[in-house]
Amino acid sequence: DTAVSQTPKYLVTQMGNDKSIKCEQNLGHDTMYWYKQDSKKFLKIMFSYNNKELIINETVPNRFSPKSPDKAHLNLHINSLELGDSAVYFCASSQAGVGETQYFGPGTRLLVL
Amino acid sequence: SQELEQSPQSLIVQEGKNLTINCTSSKTLYGLYWYKQKYGEGLIFLMMLQKGGEEKSHEKITAKLDEKKQQSSLHITASQPSHAGIYLCGADSLAGAGSYQLTFGKGTKLSVIP
Repeated sequence: DTAVSQTPKYLVTQMGNDKSIKCEQNLGHDTMYWYKQDSKKFLKIMFSYNNKELIINETVPNRFSPKSPDKAHLNLHINSLELGDSAVYFCASSQAGVGETQYFGPGTRLLVL
Repeated sequence: SQELEQSPQSLIVQEGKNLTINCTSSKTLYGLYWYKQKYGEGLIFLMMLQKGGEEKSHEKITAKLDEKKQQSSLHITASQPSHAGIYLCGADSLAGAGSYQLTFGKGTKLSVIP
């Protein structure tokens, strides 16, 4: 059974479009995260939610908005996509806070043309 | 799908001691990454290994890739409290149509006692 799943795995879109990436975890974890992996392989945290509440909100453009309908889901909406948004986005979850081991999804490769 | 098993899951060492963390893949490794997660922060890229027998160092941290064993080891010499954190290995695997998927191990939690 997949613990942390993301859809879609690949996303190719035009500049200016609005897109969403979905994330679901079946581990019963309370905390979920979104990371962006840049070309240097650095995973930078974007958002973290604990029980549907936003607890980490790093400096990212406000075109990025996370939405957590329940604690098993954390979706990432991106408005007015730009070329620089092209990256791999990883979703993760952990039992408690950021100090706990995080379990990662397979990643979503976003390419903005 | 590829699975990465890290051992040990957690490790407590005295400051100044050496330690090793292992990462074993269930499939052929095309690229192996090591990351460190500090508490309250994101993942920090440490190094990437691509070829069998390759060895890289980053300050007091050395990683090796044994392609035949589908395994990588991370060795820390003379550990310091600043080394504490969670170490994650990640690996590329073929995901079909010539593309790659990055998979992560579950991490090794390292505590260094002064």
